[in-house]
Amino acid sequence: IAGITQAPTSQILAAGRRMTLRCTQDMRHNAMYWYRQDLGLGLRLIHYSNTAGTTGKGEVPDGYSVSRANTDDFPLTLASAVPSQTSVYFCASSDGGTSGSGLNEQFFGPGTRLTVL
Amino acid sequence: KQEVTQIPAALSVPEGENLVLNCSFTDSAIYNLQWFRQDPGKGLTSLLLIQSSQREQTSGRLNASLDKSSGRSTLYIAASQPGDSATYLCAVDDYKLSFGAGTTVTVRA
Repeated sequence: IAGITQAPTSQILAAGRRMTLRCTQDMRHNAMYWYRQDLGLGLRLIHYSNTAGTTGKGEVPDGYSVSRANTDDFPLTLASAVPSQTSVYFCASSDGGTSGSGLNEQFFGPGTRLTVL
Repeated sequence: KQEVTQIPAALSVPEGENLVLNCSFTDSAIYNLQWFRQDPGKGLTSLLLIQSSQREQTSGRLNASLDKSSGRSTLYIAASQPGDSATYLCAVDDYKLSFGAGTTVTVRA
C-alpha cells in the first residue's frame, strides 16, 4: 500500500441500506478526514479525526458516522442511505494533527463514487 | 464562516502561455493555504502548501504567492503544457480546510 486507499471505487446502493466506506493510510499520519464533493458545492468536510480514538464533526455530518480504532483506518458509515448522499467521497490524511503547526498538508485518496437510488 | 473564491471558473490557453489562477478568502486568520490539482474522475494531488508566515512557494514550473492581509493567493504555472489541463483547487486551513470551487484549465496543443 502506498499512500491512501479507499474501497469500494464505486457503489450503487438502494435507499435505506447501510454502507461503510473504507479508508486506509500507510503514512502513519495522525489526522484523517472525510469529504464529499458535489458539483457546484465543492468539497465539504463530513467528519475528521485528529488522532486515533478521537473524532469530530465537520460541516455536513448528519447521516454519517465514523470511528478511529487505530492510526491507519478511518471508516465512514451511512446508517440508512438517502438519495441526497449520492456524491463522490474522499478520504484524506495529514501529519500535522492540529492545524496550529501550519504544516497540516493534506493528502487525498482516489475517492469512492456512491449513488443512492 | 470562511469563504473561498476562485476566479476564473474556467480558463483555456494555447500551449506555452503562462497561467495565472486566483484564489481569495474572507478570513485572514489562516494557518496555511494549499493548492491542489484534480484530474477528471480522480482524487486531489497536493501541489504546494504555503504557511501563513510565508509569501511564496515554488516547485518546478509552479509558483504560489500568498498575501494573507488582503486574503489572496495566486498560482502561476509557467510555460503551460497540455498535461497541465486539470481543475486546480485552493484550500485555506483555519483549523479545517475550506475549499474553493476550482478553476478548470484547458491547455490547447
